[in-house]
Amino acid sequence: NAGVTQTPKFRVLKTGQSMTLLCAQDMNHEYMYWYRQDPGMGLRLIHYSVGEGTTAKGEVPDGYNVSRLKKQNFLLGLESAAPSQTSVYFCASRAAGGRETQYFGPGTRLLVL
Amino acid sequence: GNSVTQMEGPVTLSEEAFLTINCTYTATGYPSLFWYVQYPGEGLQLLLKATKADDKGSNKGFEATYRKETTSFHLEKGSVQVSDSAVYFCALSDPGANSKLTFGKGITLSVRP
Repeated sequence: NAGVTQTPKFRVLKTGQSMTLLCAQDMNHEYMYWYRQDPGMGLRLIHYSVGEGTTAKGEVPDGYNVSRLKKQNFLLGLESAAPSQTSVYFCASRAAGGRETQYFGPGTRLLVL
Repeated sequence: GNSVTQMEGPVTLSEEAFLTINCTYTATGYPSLFWYVQYPGEGLQLLLKATKADDKGSNKGFEATYRKETTSFHLEKGSVQVSDSAVYFCALSDPGANSKLTFGKGITLSVRP
């Protein structure tokens, strides 16, 4: 069981470039989440999904898009990267049910120049 | 809306000292409460959780009790070790909001030998 994995681990982009972050989980979890972590701000929710084919906006969705075409994968896209998107991105997943734990991936560190 | 407030950091302790990290919350529903830990360069790991009032979560010598009357979930450990040096996040999950996690800002703990 790999749990939650994220690809890539680290990436440097120039302003205006695009990229996709991949999150994969092998726990058959229904729910998946994308967060960003910035110094002094904790983690903030970008987008989430409650099942295959569904997505919803979180607290800070602007500048990001997501897709959940397969249950095990949750993709986060940046269409035109900005320096304000320099951050560490974490994916998480959890089983259905009201009080289940979220399990996190190791993170992707993104630097936008 | 939901919010989590953690005490300001960073915190520096000597090995074998007693640790308390305060956490209070505001929630519209009846949340589950979590402590996550992030070791340097890694993702978030669940440390402990509690899903109802008066529940005590415990793991690796850490404890926290869900206090509904004071809306608190303070983290304690009787004797810290150097290996406990990490960032600690308090979080709540509201089952009525697709169980999205709301995080505190995190606090950095450094333990000196």
